[in-house]
Amino acid sequence: GAVVSQHPSWVICKSGTSVKIECRSLDFQATTMFWYRQFPKQSLMLMATSNEGSKATYEQGVEKDKFLINHASLTLSTLTVTSAHPEDSSFYICSAKVAGGSTDTQYFGPGTRLTVL
Amino acid sequence: GNSVTQMEGPVTLSEEAFLTINCTYTATGYPSLFWYVQYPGEGLQLLLKATKADDKGSNKGFEATYRKETTSFHLEKGSVQVSDSAVYFCALRGTGTASKLTFGTGTRLQVTL
Repeated sequence: GAVVSQHPSWVICKSGTSVKIECRSLDFQATTMFWYRQFPKQSLMLMATSNEGSKATYEQGVEKDKFLINHASLTLSTLTVTSAHPEDSSFYICSAKVAGGSTDTQYFGPGTRLTVL
Repeated sequence: GNSVTQMEGPVTLSEEAFLTINCTYTATGYPSLFWYVQYPGEGLQLLLKATKADDKGSNKGFEATYRKETTSFHLEKGSVQVSDSAVYFCALRGTGTASKLTFGTGTRLQVTL
């Protein structure tokens, strides 16, 4: 089946630094990728939708200047958390939709746990 | 807006026990409903789905029926195995919202011998 990887799987950083998380579709092309965030005991919240070659669409309440998303190729999307603060500590999950595939079919990465000290 | 409520876990069962994980939703129109499963260290995987009222989704012995009258999509399995231990997420995709999924909080299932 289709595989989506995320790197790193976990990261610890100091407050004020920036962290980049990669999301790759390993065996398929993904025109659309999604970034989610999950707090403990809460549901996954969609942060943004990124389409290859165009600007990401952010959900209401998500700061686009803080969470920079780049989808430069059909197999890679990156999320950069800029000037991270402890409240940004969370579990970040990406998913990818197969190019030309059903909108119901999203393949999820295993997630990246970010801890900001 | 759309929302999904599922029972808090963890749910601990003995092998071969009957499983029910409750899920109710709030949405306008006619959403599609999903159950995803996340095994340790892996990404969420689509387990089953139903796209209209009274549809029953099924896969790997799991079933869920789309009940519009009770706005529910409860997950059931007649006999769980240790290998079913995972986190289960109920989700919906609202009408007119393209690929946007709204998730519940997830329910951890632990099956013991």
